[in-house]
Amino acid sequence: QQPVQSPQAVILREGEDAVINCSSSKALYSVHWYRQKHGEAPVFLMILLKGGEQKGHEKISASFNEKKQQSSLYLTASQLSYSGTYFCGTDNAGNNRKLIWGLGTSLAVNP
Amino acid sequence: NAGVTQTPKFQVLKTGQSMTLQCAQDMNHNSMYWYRQDPGMGLRLIYYSASEGTTDKGEVPNGYNVSRLNKREFSLRLESAAPSQTSVYFCASSTRSGTEAFFGQGTRLTVV
Repeated sequence: QQPVQSPQAVILREGEDAVINCSSSKALYSVHWYRQKHGEAPVFLMILLKGGEQKGHEKISASFNEKKQQSSLYLTASQLSYSGTYFCGTDNAGNNRKLIWGLGTSLAVNP
Repeated sequence: NAGVTQTPKFQVLKTGQSMTLQCAQDMNHNSMYWYRQDPGMGLRLIYYSASEGTTDKGEVPNGYNVSRLNKREFSLRLESAAPSQTSVYFCASSTRSGTEAFFGQGTRLTVV
């Protein structure tokens, strides 16, 4: 039931791109993306809803494939501030208050 | 705006002791949540409150109780702490529609 995130970890040089994937074994109503820096609280990035609606920050882009039951987060022209652990939370039951979270993808951006 | 405030930030308990983690938000949000985060386990929902006066179990509710004291405050109680409850606890809140959630800074709890 827990979504699977891939890759587990990625190292980038500043300016490079990355894609983080989140796959579920169950049908998805929505996917929520958060970033957490070490020792800090998770911070909201994006929500993708069944039907195509997206809510989130302008500089972050993501896709939601209902058929494949997966979402991808696209980080382009990475900056040092993008470093952190990215989590996806999935709503499999139409209750977006009861999310199931992936184990996270650790992203390090180096100069 | 303070956002979501959790107290305490750090706590060490002995096995069997009880304690209450406090959480307050000043964003007039209807929904509030308690999560625990363990290394390699991601976030796991303990309890949530969709609105004032209601609480529901999450993924890992055993060993915990909650109280939605009013719209602002949502507390988490450990009646008899166990070493397995050593974790970082996060409180969060969101609007009724369950959109963007705002997290507190966390409480690092160690049970010895």
